[in-house]
Amino acid sequence: GAGVSQTPSNKVTEKGKYVELRCDPISGHTALYWYRQSLGQGPEFLIYFQGTGAADDSGLPNDRFFAVRPEGSVSTLKIQRTERGDSAVYLCASSLTNQNTGELFFGEGSRLTVL
Amino acid sequence: AQSVTQPDIHITVSEGASLELRCNYSYGATPYLFWYVQSPGQGLQLLLKYFSGDTLVQGIKGFEAEFKRSQSSFNLRKPSVHWSDAAEYFCAVAYGGSQGNLIFGKGTKLSVKP
Repeated sequence: GAGVSQTPSNKVTEKGKYVELRCDPISGHTALYWYRQSLGQGPEFLIYFQGTGAADDSGLPNDRFFAVRPEGSVSTLKIQRTERGDSAVYLCASSLTNQNTGELFFGEGSRLTVL
Repeated sequence: AQSVTQPDIHITVSEGASLELRCNYSYGATPYLFWYVQSPGQGLQLLLKYFSGDTLVQGIKGFEAEFKRSQSSFNLRKPSVHWSDAAEYFCAVAYGGSQGNLIFGKGTKLSVKP
């Protein structure tokens, strides 16, 4: 596709359940990022991939959160034992370059609601 | 620690009026600065960016921003606002050593009166 695609667009789950969120970046973009945006806040960095490897996962809040990008394209953010505080919009972005000067292209996000 | 402050949560301007959205950052070295816009149902879109050189940068949709090191500011401006500019605007800073790690402000919601 032309842009960054995220699925599902909306996910409602119960506390304690496992959730996967998928991101399909722009073709040819080697860098991929996950951000989390809580209500009334700006996006908060979670993790950054360069190719298949996680180059920086310093933003992951705890070990319930994990992300993979096995073939260097599609990425999946995995959340175990979800908690109500995990409710947020999870944003994925990709860029052509891994430099700070590069432009990030964001998807529309996956809205997660934990009941 | 690095941070970005957008002091105005919500601003309302009349269509055709000028606009200035404030952004202050806290960072020890030369920052890379960005403004993004988020419209309902759309992903964040880059308006403009500053890395070095001319401190007045031009962006898309008629926006510009001025980097002022002495004030640690990077305010966004537009001379004449259009109704379609109604959206939420985020200032962000990227810092070396963690490529792609943007620190965003909390955003300013812009409403436009007809």
